[in-house]
Amino acid sequence: DTGVSQDPRHKITKRGQNVTFRCDPISEHNRLYWYRQTLGQGPEFLTYFQNEAQLEKSRLLSDRFSAERPKGSFSTLEIQRTEQGDSAMYLCASGGQAYYEQYFGPGTRLTVT
Amino acid sequence: AQKITQTQPGMFVQEKEAVTLDCTYDTSDQSYGLFWYKQPSSGEMIFLIYQGSYDEQNATEGRYSLNFQKARKSANLVISASQLGDSAMYFCAPDTGANSKLTFGKGITLSVRP
Repeated sequence: DTGVSQDPRHKITKRGQNVTFRCDPISEHNRLYWYRQTLGQGPEFLTYFQNEAQLEKSRLLSDRFSAERPKGSFSTLEIQRTEQGDSAMYLCASGGQAYYEQYFGPGTRLTVT
Repeated sequence: AQKITQTQPGMFVQEKEAVTLDCTYDTSDQSYGLFWYKQPSSGEMIFLIYQGSYDEQNATEGRYSLNFQKARKSANLVISASQLGDSAMYFCAPDTGANSKLTFGKGITLSVRP
């Protein structure tokens, strides 16, 4: 499968725990995005990487959130001290050289109890 | 900030008929593209079609086409010959940032009746 993959697909955690999600973009795509989608809403932008550089972060990304893309390939999104309001679908997307390319992964559904 | 309006809360269409899903947006940026994505109940966002702001012709991709009216800031998606598998949420998203991040509307639910 040459599409965007995300792991895990589902995560249930207790409030206060830390969680980490992984995204593997399409090979050779240099752009990588994280979005968050809550029930009944469209996805909201969280952060953007160009290769390994994090070039933009949304105000939605509080201090408890951190994202990395250490070698310009896969990326991780960590949420520390999870809160019930963090329950959402976390989507990763990657884009190639063409600005109109942006393909999404299947998402990680987080439930904080 | 951009504002995307998808006011149709739920749409129904008979199988094999065409349907139009509306999208209007408010942006002061003069150079942008617009994406449409489909999200079935499985949750994955599936890319359908893209319209560049300077494209003179409306984009088409198989059964999908865009009715793009730049002056009205409107980019409606037309699905021809609806299939049962078209039942899903549909999102439009302008791309105006230098980093091509997308801003999505609330989406439209489409249900295709057999």
